[in-house]
Amino acid sequence: EVQLVESGGGLVQPGGSLRLSCAASGFTFSSYWMSWVRQAPGKGLEWVANIKQDGSEKYYVDSVKGRFTISRDNAKNSLYLQMNSLRAEDTAVYYCAREDGNSRGDYFDYWGQGTLVTVSS
Amino acid sequence: SYVLTQPPSVSVAPGKTARITCGGNNIGSKSVHWYQQKPGQAPVLVIYYDSDRPSGIPERFSGSNSGNTATLTISRVEAGDEADYYCQVWDSSSGWVFGGGTKLTVL
Repeated sequence: EVQLVESGGGLVQPGGSLRLSCAASGFTFSSYWMSWVRQAPGKGLEWVANIKQDGSEKYYVDSVKGRFTISRDNAKNSLYLQMNSLRAEDTAVYYCAREDGNSRGDYFDYWGQGTLVTVSS
Repeated sequence: SYVLTQPPSVSVAPGKTARITCGGNNIGSKSVHWYQQKPGQAPVLVIYYDSDRPSGIPERFSGSNSGNTATLTISRVEAGDEADYYCQVWDSSSGWVFGGGTKLTVL
């Protein structure tokens, strides 16, 4: 059974840092692109970043470029999101998601349950 | 940046058909995916590649995509279908893009 379990969320002051983790199990983690998606309270889904199987390619939404860093450790079956210079508008539930697909492109077939990040003084 | 436009809300009576649209510039040239999200839960994939259904998703869920509009159609709507629905595409300039979401209300 595919499982994605996020951790590391919590309350942080503006300008602070936080590192999110996503523990993957039930599949060959190193074979899949992975993404982080967030959802502010009462708002819609926003893709944050994704990373290629070997970590050689990474993409970010403009609003987090230069502040957030996505990474992975295939030996530990784990995905990470290092978040620096946090702002109130980064407050959200953060989900990790697995990307699957073929030559037609990918889609998100499995999601974790999310971890809440609150940026407030 | 690429923008996907969804109606904020759609209402339908039980047993009827709900159609949720997703508008985007030449979206017909992209693969569109749809997710269902119930309150307090993570999103669930209900349609991928415009019209394919993952295993476990009822046949009542279908999709189409042409021109500037993609559509998620839910036939014989049930109370359990009440949720938020999001469309998604990959854009080479913007990355992954989600629509703003549509709240489906079953009357």
